[in-house]
Amino acid sequence: EAGVTQFPSHSVIEKGQTVTLRCDPISGHDNLYWYRRVMGKEIKFLLHFVKESKQDESGMPNNRFLAERTGGTYSTLKVQPAELEDSGVYFCASSLWTTKDTQYFGPGTRLTVL
Amino acid sequence: RKEVEQDPGPFNVPEGATVAFNCTYSNSASQSFFWYRQDCRKEPKLLMSVYSSGNEDGRFTAQLNRASQYISLLIRDSKLSDSATYLCVVPSGGSYIPTFGRGTSLIVHP
Repeated sequence: EAGVTQFPSHSVIEKGQTVTLRCDPISGHDNLYWYRRVMGKEIKFLLHFVKESKQDESGMPNNRFLAERTGGTYSTLKVQPAELEDSGVYFCASSLWTTKDTQYFGPGTRLTVL
Repeated sequence: RKEVEQDPGPFNVPEGATVAFNCTYSNSASQSFFWYRQDCRKEPKLLMSVYSSGNEDGRFTAQLNRASQYISLLIRDSKLSDSATYLCVVPSGGSYIPTFGRGTSLIVHP
């Protein structure tokens, strides 16, 4: 069974540019999560989808971040315009059941904003 | 107080040693707890889940102490391959948002 995949693995952009990250969850997993790890800090929750609906987006830092999951399959996370502090590793995870269930993580996208 | 706290380490132990990490959490309503392992520049991978008092899987034992609000991870007979960062995750709050600790670094040396 294929795991969670993320694209791209690395992205280097300049401040003010736009970047879109993609996550493909494990097939059949209705729950999809985005997380971010800034250097030296713990992994922080960004948001949670159940199918195509945003269940909880309390962790989204500001309105420069937009997440979508059209059709309830893959998800995208767009950062527009990117700022220096957006640099970090963005992880996607999926789970079969709720947030109390085991989550399977993708390899992450390492974003560097210059 | 942070929601999930871990001693960052590093814990530097010889092969064959037994090592234990603690993780304290602040939300007394939390019902499930997870230990993930993360290798350098890799994604977190589930090591163990704890839903009641504890769980054991081979050399790894996780124990939950609800009264003192901590979970522990015990690794027996450490292997070189156990070297990694161990993340404590506690779904917290009304919608059980997974809350991560900063992780505990373990280095097992020959």
